[in-house]
Amino acid sequence: NAGVTQTPKFRILKIGQSMTLQCTQDMNHNYMYWYRQDPGMGLKLIYYSVGAGITDKGEVPNGYNVSRSTTEDFPLRLELAAPSQTSVYFCASSYADSTEAFFGQGTRLTVV
Amino acid sequence: QKEVEQNSGPLSVPEGAIASLNCTYSDRGSQSFFWYRQYSGKSPELIMSIYSNGDKEDGRFTAQLNKASQYVSLLIRDSQPSDSATYLCAVFAGGTSYGKLTFGQGTILTVHP
Repeated sequence: NAGVTQTPKFRILKIGQSMTLQCTQDMNHNYMYWYRQDPGMGLKLIYYSVGAGITDKGEVPNGYNVSRSTTEDFPLRLELAAPSQTSVYFCASSYADSTEAFFGQGTRLTVV
Repeated sequence: QKEVEQNSGPLSVPEGAIASLNCTYSDRGSQSFFWYRQYSGKSPELIMSIYSNGDKEDGRFTAQLNKASQYVSLLIRDSQPSDSATYLCAVFAGGTSYGKLTFGQGTILTVHP
């Protein structure tokens, strides 16, 4: 059972480049999330989705875009990468409001 | 005002002591509250969930919820060095922001032998 799978695990981007962080879950969860975590800090919500075709902004959405065309996939797009986007990115999913969120292994992104 | 705020750390306790971690939240409509543990370089993992006012115990862990004060806490009894980690409070938003899961900034706990 795979759970939440994120790719890639590591990536180095040059300033101004773009990339997509992939996230897929096989638990048929309705809710999916993208967070970023800077060193020594908590998780900051970038975007979230409560179902296919529905997305909403979190605390720090600037510089990112998402889409949710299927229940399983929730890719995060970075356009025009900046050094401030250097962080560890976590994707998570949960079935409903009252249930546990499961996390992927994280993607460590460095923008140089 | 931050949506979810944890008491600033880091927190250092001796082995065998009680560690107390606190969290406040701003959305009065919130109904679901969680504590996650995160070891360095790893993903967060759930240790406790609580939905009703009062205490909920699971082994050495006790979560406490007071909705009137918008306050959630986690007590770790008989702390062990293996409990050393970052503890994250998480809250599901209520009302029109349903599905939004917000985390606090985390409290780093160190249990020293």
